[in-house]
Amino acid sequence: SSELTQDPAVSVALGQTVRITCQGDSLRSYYASWYQQKPGQAPVLVIYGKNNRPSGIPDRFSGSSSGNTASLTITGAQAEDEADYYCNSRDSSGNQLVVFGGGTKLTVL
Amino acid sequence: EVQLVESGGGLVQPGGSLRLSCAASGFTFSSYAMSWVRQAPGKGLEWVSAISGSGGSTYYADSVKGRFTISRDNSKNTLYLQMNSLRAEDTAVYYCAKDKRGYSHRRYYYYMDVWGKGTTVTVSS
Repeated sequence: SSELTQDPAVSVALGQTVRITCQGDSLRSYYASWYQQKPGQAPVLVIYGKNNRPSGIPDRFSGSSSGNTASLTITGAQAEDEADYYCNSRDSSGNQLVVFGGGTKLTVL
Repeated sequence: EVQLVESGGGLVQPGGSLRLSCAASGFTFSSYAMSWVRQAPGKGLEWVSAISGSGGSTYYADSVKGRFTISRDNSKNTLYLQMNSLRAEDTAVYYCAKDKRGYSHRRYYYYMDVWGKGTTVTVSS
């Protein structure tokens, strides 16, 4: 399968913890990468590999995976974390294609 | 500073053509595969195409195969996307991105660590 499935919307109270999930067969072979996108801006990589953060990404962002499911966790969500989040990986069928999840709109209440 | 800057977007009629460019700086361009990703208005991210560092291997989403051609000029540190037979559904912001891939902890990994700000393509009569 070349699909990655995300919940369309998730909400979290300010300062609480939220988990955003991504499911797909390719995640049995590939770690998901995660991108944050705010309105009118380009996506920004926030998590890659097993659980790595690029320079400048706060340590409240973390990643994990189990079986065909990857998760992005924000521990102590801040108002500035309100954004769309996309997961991404390679298609595992061997055709070298790339897939994105449909995106999750995170609202911080 | 690592940077990607797209250009070439604009308004084009259905059936028309457009060539996008992505100028790279701050890294060894020829060492990395590159991708084009697009985002239609109000929609999610859609991977369009990728090319290996040497330019010898190219890959396309089914939605653009046969109409779009990705290429690169490593002497100019520039990535291109030639778009032909454009359709209304190709209307989107087009981003170029730098690819990284590898294998660690018993799994493969793939990600796009640098993105441009995007260029807008509108296909309309």
